[in-house]
Amino acid sequence: SAVISQKPSRDICQRGTSLTIQCQVDSQVTMMFWYRQQPGQSLTLIATANQGSEATYESGFVIDKFPISRPNLTFSTLTVSNMSPEDSSIYLCSAGQYGYTFGSGTRLTVV
Amino acid sequence: AQTVTQSQPEMSVQEAETVTLSCTYDTSESNYYLFWYKQPPSRQMILVIRQEAYKQQNATENRFSVNFQKAAKSFSLKISDSQLGDTAMYFCAFMSWTSGTYKYIFGTGTRLKVLA
Repeated sequence: SAVISQKPSRDICQRGTSLTIQCQVDSQVTMMFWYRQQPGQSLTLIATANQGSEATYESGFVIDKFPISRPNLTFSTLTVSNMSPEDSSIYLCSAGQYGYTFGSGTRLTVV
Repeated sequence: AQTVTQSQPEMSVQEAETVTLSCTYDTSESNYYLFWYKQPPSRQMILVIRQEAYKQQNATENRFSVNFQKAAKSFSLKISDSQLGDTAMYFCAFMSWTSGTYKYIFGTGTRLKVLA
């Protein structure tokens, strides 16, 4: 199965700034998925990203806040924009037809 | 709308014993997948087992097996011969896709502790 490298593993950011999270897959995949896991909570799907098309966002998530890029079949980025303390979470990507290979997550703390 | 319910926030089991984690879901979809994921403290999400809804046979992966009751919308995970390394959060998840649009819903998780 695919292996995903996710960076950064953690970051502490000032409110009002943006952070871009990267996921690199070691093989070509059609679909990539981005999730948010708030402290002590379950995973919530933010959006799905298919190469060559606009990402599809779930209810409650908007492109201006969480822009996603998918330039090729092995790479995707998620940007968390204009951050506030409420954005402090773990962000995870996954990939594959069924999305069950995950990156190791990015722990984001906004101060 | 699809929902996934895990009614056991925490469970514990003695090493080498068997434990069953419960999961129920609700959907009107006919084609979907169900998954159990393990998330240890390292936060890496690891697929434990998956079940295609169209398959009647319950999935099995070594010490892990599921009891899939489609009519009852139930999908429990049985861990046999529990090991200390099984200590983790376990999430049940539902996935469906329609016209290229994916839905991925996770339950709230069950924290499993295996006791020595």
